[in-house]
Amino acid sequence: EPEVTQTPSHQVTQMGQEVILRCVPISNHLYFYWYRQILGQKVEFLVSFYNNEISEKSEIFDDQFSVERPDGSNFTLKIRSTKLEDSAMYFCASWGAPQEDEQYFGPGTRLTVT
Amino acid sequence: AQSVTQLDSQVPVFEEAPVELRCNYSSSVSVYLFWYVQYPNQGLQLLLKYLSGSTLVKGINGFEAEFNKSQTSFHLRKPSVHISDTAEYFCAVSERNNAGNMLTFGGGTRLMVKP
Repeated sequence: EPEVTQTPSHQVTQMGQEVILRCVPISNHLYFYWYRQILGQKVEFLVSFYNNEISEKSEIFDDQFSVERPDGSNFTLKIRSTKLEDSAMYFCASWGAPQEDEQYFGPGTRLTVT
Repeated sequence: AQSVTQLDSQVPVFEEAPVELRCNYSSSVSVYLFWYVQYPNQGLQLLLKYLSGSTLVKGINGFEAEFNKSQTSFHLRKPSVHISDTAEYFCAVSERNNAGNMLTFGGGTRLMVKP
């Protein structure tokens, strides 16, 4: 069964450093998403991406964040200058509309900012 | 804008007992509704979804949920829980007319099944 994969599973970085979280969506999907979950809190939408551009973003997704689909398979989330409050689990998801009606989530990357 | 409220942050229950996890939503347009489960240190797995049609939907692992439009609810039920059902459960909605299909999640309910 096709699945969304994410690397790394755990990333530790120092405050102020740049991080790139990587995702490989399901191959024939066209809609891609990033969500985050701060420890003990709910899952929050960050950004959606379609046709090589951002289609929607939340207020969390400020200028420190960017997304890119550098090739035909990867979908990345970059945080330019990490803050302590960026520590969270980051989930990638993809959606194969219109053939499919649900988003498929990856296993997540736990980002720890020290 | 839509919002989701899960009324219970924790639900303790004994094994083989029935359980109901409550979810209410708010939206100005029609929505799709979902329940996801998250086992410890794992990602999100879809349990079931309501898109249209029958208001009672059945999902994996013996779970079912009922969409009630008048009460804007989508409560999750299981007639007999197992220890292995211990997990965090998230209700989520997406707006039907939103091409981006972003999901809005509730705060989660931690189901704790005791022997």
